[in-house]
Amino acid sequence: AQKITQTQPGMFVQEKEAVTLDCTYDTSDPSYGLFWYKQPSSGEMIFLIYQGSYDQQNATEGRYSLNFQKARKSANLVISASQLGDSAMYFCAMRELMYSGGGADGLTFGKGTHLIIQP
Amino acid sequence: DAGVTQSPTHLIKTRGQQVTLRCSPKSGHDTVSWYQQALGQGPQFIFQYYEEEERQRGNFPDRFSGHQFPNYSSELNVNALLLGDSALYLCASSLVQDGVYGYTFGSGTRLTVV
Repeated sequence: AQKITQTQPGMFVQEKEAVTLDCTYDTSDPSYGLFWYKQPSSGEMIFLIYQGSYDQQNATEGRYSLNFQKARKSANLVISASQLGDSAMYFCAMRELMYSGGGADGLTFGKGTHLIIQP
Repeated sequence: DAGVTQSPTHLIKTRGQQVTLRCSPKSGHDTVSWYQQALGQGPQFIFQYYEEEERQRGNFPDRFSGHQFPNYSSELNVNALLLGDSALYLCASSLVQDGVYGYTFGSGTRLTVV
């Protein structure tokens, strides 16, 4: 089974609208972290937001927020007031902490969502 | 403040050849991780280097090896190239105490195996 599932291969959104990118995950590890990255056409992965499995509040970073529903194993990214510069690939990723012995830093990524913002 | 620098940006190799990719970490970072991103896929973790030693490894064969130098820069070597090794190879640096939470990624090396 895939550990990270992103079900939207592509999305078209009008500028200034809010957009939600879906991410579901699968883990038995009680301690884990969830990340969202943006990858423009230049290739580098840009960190957007992080949510820890024990965090009580949903994470927010400027226009980005993470809708964390632990029981449903869902970690959707919400971008408010989208801008043309938001057009890019978006990846959800997870780090499992306990099963990795605490020393593992490797992230498991989903296949991504290609977001296109239209004027 | 320079970020993560990877070289070369693009590379074409023939099946069976060997390739070396290079990564200079962000200033102040001491740990380097390598990822392989096939077309249309998310990145997959290859391995991580800290204090010139391989600290953790993903599910990649021994054809993939690496090295970290005293100045924290790193190389990724792939032997006996296969067509399936064609991908974007991303390097991410961090401070060991920040781990993956402090990752800075480079723009990658696009490897094409023909």
